Amino acid sequence: DGGITQSPKYLFRKEGQNVTLSCEQNLNHDAMYWYRQDPGQGLRLIYYSQIVNDFQKGDIAEGYSVSREKKESFPLTVTSAQKNPTAFYLCASSISFSGTPYSPLHFGNGTRLTVT
Amino acid sequence: AQSVTQLDSHVSVSEGTPVLLRCNYSSSYSPSLFWYVQHPNKGLQLLLKYTSAATLVKGINGFEAEFKKSETSFHLTKPSAHMSDAAEYFCVVPLTGTASKLTFGTGTRLQVTL
Repeated sequence: DGGITQSPKYLFRKEGQNVTLSCEQNLNHDAMYWYRQDPGQGLRLIYYSQIVNDFQKGDIAEGYSVSREKKESFPLTVTSAQKNPTAFYLCASSISFSGTPYSPLHFGNGTRLTVT
Repeated sequence: AQSVTQLDSHVSVSEGTPVLLRCNYSSSYSPSLFWYVQHPNKGLQLLLKYTSAATLVKGINGFEAEFKKSETSFHLTKPSAHMSDAAEYFCVVPLTGTASKLTFGTGTRLQVTL
């Protein structure tokens, strides 16, 4: 079955530590996205990648970094510079960013990060 | 800029009764609009999408939504709620010129009681 795998499901870290969230897709999608979800705020875009070796900042990129070295992988690093890192993080992909209008986003099941 | 407002943060219905989740949009033209559903601790799944082909859109699991330009609304409905419908629902609009860069509403949590 094709889909998006996020790991781990739960992650606990101490303040001041960087942490990397994994996202892998086997849908052969070009575009990938990272969203952050906080209660009552909907989803906010952190970074997105339209194609391998390319990525752009979303609305709340400060304190985060990404890489896109392979089509199927789009890891997100939450750095110690992120002031409020505790949140639910969702990875998504779509066939393309703009070549196929209205192509739906396919989401992983998320990683819940808790930083204390 | 495109935006959406979900008018209710929480809706509770009894099983077997109709569901209405309200969404108003703000746009200078007729946008595309989507509804996504999220079950607890899961990712989001597309329920339905409006892309100007027809104002009444049917989605999965018996949901449908009607685009009303005069009211700038895109409310989600279902004739009869089922326990499995309990989830969070998001009204979503793409940013102009970037169909895949989305703006999400703040969500409506649907509770279904016996």
